[in-house]
Amino acid sequence: RKEVEQDPGPFNVPEGATVAFNCTYSNSASQSFFWYRQDCRKEPKLLMSVYSSGNEDGRFTAQLNRASQYISLLIRDSKLSDSATYLCVVMRGSQGNLIFGKGTKLSVKP
Amino acid sequence: ETGVTQTPRHLVMGMTNKKSLKCEQHLGHNAMYWYKQSAKKPLELMFVYNFKEQTENNSVPSRFSPECPNSSHLFLHLHTLQPEDSALYLCASSQGAGRLDGYTFGSGTRLTVV
Repeated sequence: RKEVEQDPGPFNVPEGATVAFNCTYSNSASQSFFWYRQDCRKEPKLLMSVYSSGNEDGRFTAQLNRASQYISLLIRDSKLSDSATYLCVVMRGSQGNLIFGKGTKLSVKP
Repeated sequence: ETGVTQTPRHLVMGMTNKKSLKCEQHLGHNAMYWYKQSAKKPLELMFVYNFKEQTENNSVPSRFSPECPNSSHLFLHLHTLQPEDSALYLCASSQGAGRLDGYTFGSGTRLTVV
């Protein structure tokens, strides 16, 4: 089983739609979780950290379910500029390194 | 300059060449990383340095040789590469293990081996 698994998509949605991405991780000792965004031919950039109680940043909401080893990202009111690949990232152990999923591609259409 | 800077942005090299990739961070971080990103694959961790000491080598072939002279600079020396080594090489840095803030990435070096 891969350490971090994501549905690669693509997700093609109209502007204004709500879209959700899911991610599962295999190492139950993982402590920290992140969502990164990567635009085409650019470097990954941190979108948001994922906290145990769930957290929201504007139109973006991240959730963590430790029991199911599952992370989600919800984007409300999608914008054209949200088109990118969203990477689920898990820290291996409490002092470990970041392990990246393959990413989920989102395309928001007018 | 701010952030993480990588040079060159693009590199084409023959299989018998020797070249080096450079990474510099201006964030005061004490950990630096090399990642490889190939098409249709997740980012693969290659090397980790904490306070200039290598703490992880993720089974990387010896034709890739990292060097970390200080906490702000990281190099990746390349020699006798193969065409399958063509990829985007990303450098990142973090404060400690990056638990709270994750990593900051450079723009990457797009390497083509011919």
